[in-house]
Amino acid sequence: DTGVSQDPRHKITKRGQNVTFRCDPISEHNRLYWYRQTLGQGPEFLTYFQNEAQLEKSRLLSDRFSAERPKGSFSTLEIQRTEQGDSAMYLCASGQAFIQDTEAFFGQGTRLTVV
Amino acid sequence: EDQVTQSPEALRLQEGESSSLNCSYTVSGLRGLFWYRQDPGKGPEFLFTLYSAGEEKEKERLKATLTKKESFLHITAPKPEDSATYLCAVRSGGSNYKLTFGKGTLLTVNP
Repeated sequence: DTGVSQDPRHKITKRGQNVTFRCDPISEHNRLYWYRQTLGQGPEFLTYFQNEAQLEKSRLLSDRFSAERPKGSFSTLEIQRTEQGDSAMYLCASGQAFIQDTEAFFGQGTRLTVV
Repeated sequence: EDQVTQSPEALRLQEGESSSLNCSYTVSGLRGLFWYRQDPGKGPEFLFTLYSAGEEKEKERLKATLTKKESFLHITAPKPEDSATYLCAVRSGGSNYKLTFGKGTLLTVNP
């Protein structure tokens, strides 16, 4: 395992459809983060898991967004009833707790286009 | 609320022309300042973490420094392959380990 893996890399969907993205973190990492990045902006925090527990959610994460991390391994991010404003790059990152503030390593992202 | 401001927004250099990127921050209890490189269409690639004022780290042609209010990413004798967006982010004590990012500096190095 050489890094954070995200699937799919690209997704085009029609407005109103549901989409789900998957993130596989670095195997020994127990922290997992989701971020969203739009063109010309830095990544914005969406939510954070430590093991299977979702410990923080951003106000950016509306009720249409839900994230899970069953068994503290991979994570999924689902967007229901997609809107054009959801078009963005969705990034996953992972890190290791109980080691001095470990770096967050990012995956290659999932580019979502809502048409 | 944590804030990060990066300048300039864009920087164009000739190959071999050294320069610096700036990252100013406001944070409650800094738990790390992070620099990433991002190529178009890809996720951020980790470069450095700095934890306390006065700390410096180097990697190839890049050197990152940290004061109590800002960080600099110095690029010495850049090459065209250094062209990318450079992102700065902070992690604060009360942030539950999330990162707050600036908008980035788009660096273009011409041959």
